[in-house]
Amino acid sequence: GAVVSQHPSRVICKSGTSVKIECRSLDFQATTMFWYRQFPKQSLMLMATSNEGSKATYEQGVEKDKFLINHASLTLSTLTVTSAHPEDSSFYICSAGQSRASYNEQFFGPGTRLTVL
Amino acid sequence: AQTVTQSQPEMSVQEAETVTLSCTYDTSENNYYLFWYKQPPSRQMILVIRQEAYKQQNATENRFSVNFQKAAKSFSLKISDSQLGDTAMYFCAFMNREYGNKLVFGAGTILRVKS
Repeated sequence: GAVVSQHPSRVICKSGTSVKIECRSLDFQATTMFWYRQFPKQSLMLMATSNEGSKATYEQGVEKDKFLINHASLTLSTLTVTSAHPEDSSFYICSAGQSRASYNEQFFGPGTRLTVL
Repeated sequence: AQTVTQSQPEMSVQEAETVTLSCTYDTSENNYYLFWYKQPPSRQMILVIRQEAYKQQNATENRFSVNFQKAAKSFSLKISDSQLGDTAMYFCAFMNREYGNKLVFGAGTILRVKS
């Protein structure tokens, strides 16, 4: 099956610093990638959808200047949390979409645990 | 807007027994896809089963099967012969092309399999 990696798997940073999370599709090209945020024992909340070569589309309530998304190639998307604060601590998951006949199957990365001190 | 409801926050089942997780959804679309995902303690999302709305036949994958009732907008997951490795959070999800192929997740059900 299709494999998606995320790096780093966990990161601890100081308040006010920026953190970059990478999402890679290892064995397929993903025209669309999705970024989710998940709090403990809760569901996945879609933050944004990114298409290769174009600006990301953010969900309502997600600050685009705080969560910068870049999808520079068909195998790599990055999420940068700028000026991180403790409330940004969370589990971030990416998924990469592979086109099927009539829908876009999503393959998930293993997630990144961000802790902001 | 599409919504997905999972009304069982937590469930438990004895090893080797059968358990059913409930899911209902709301949509005005006719063509869509429904999924069940498993998230074990490792937090890696794993696709368990997929159902195309235009197919009347219920999807099955080994010990996992669904009961898809399109008119009732219900999509339950049955796990037979439960195993300890089935312990996980289970999410029901909806997708359709008109919504940009984005997944809409339910709140999840924590399933604990007891020995």
